[in-house]
Amino acid sequence: GIQVEQSPPDLILQEGANSTLRCNFSDSVNNLQWFHQNPWGQLINLFYIPSGTKQNGRLSATTVATERYSLLYISSSQTTDSGVYFCAGGGSNYKLTFGKGTLLTVNP
Amino acid sequence: NAGVMQNPRHLVRRRGQEARLRCSPMKGHSHVYWYRQLPEEGLKFMVYLQKENIIDESGMPKERFSAEFPKEGPSILRIQQVVRGDSAAYFCASSPPAGTFSPLHFGNGTRLTVT
Repeated sequence: GIQVEQSPPDLILQEGANSTLRCNFSDSVNNLQWFHQNPWGQLINLFYIPSGTKQNGRLSATTVATERYSLLYISSSQTTDSGVYFCAGGGSNYKLTFGKGTLLTVNP
Repeated sequence: NAGVMQNPRHLVRRRGQEARLRCSPMKGHSHVYWYRQLPEEGLKFMVYLQKENIIDESGMPKERFSAEFPKEGPSILRIQQVVRGDSAAYFCASSPPAGTFSPLHFGNGTRLTVT
């Protein structure tokens, strides 16, 4: 099956800093999504982005499908951005393989 | 519009008991997906159901686990004779009938603790 590698595994930032999270896939995927799991365990879908670039407020994501990777950019980070960021991909509309996540801590 | 609803939010069971987890999809959605998150790990696909039909259960453990999505009522994930290794967060997502590629939106999950 598809392998998903996320980096870095942990990241500590000061409020206001910018960051880039990376996700590499072992094979091509038709379905690629980014999620944020907050400290209360809720999973929030950030982006559905099998290719190209999307932006939503301070967050943006870029997927280069031909090179099998995706990047999540967080600008002007806030303490509420803390949590685990997961990327997930697959060939179907429902069966996603998740990475192990990046644990982000934003300090005030 | 209410999102995907899961209950209970937390469930504690002793080893050997049964656990029943419920998932009500978003209004108008007839496809349900169950994922499991073990401690310190990402989510893993378990099963994909349509109303009265299991489409893909390739991620379900072969024994003790079953899932259903009846014509009326929520989808149920049932774990018989629970063991400590079943302790995890179980998440459910739903989608419309078209089943096209779209963002997956999960419920808040059920955190199962087996003592």
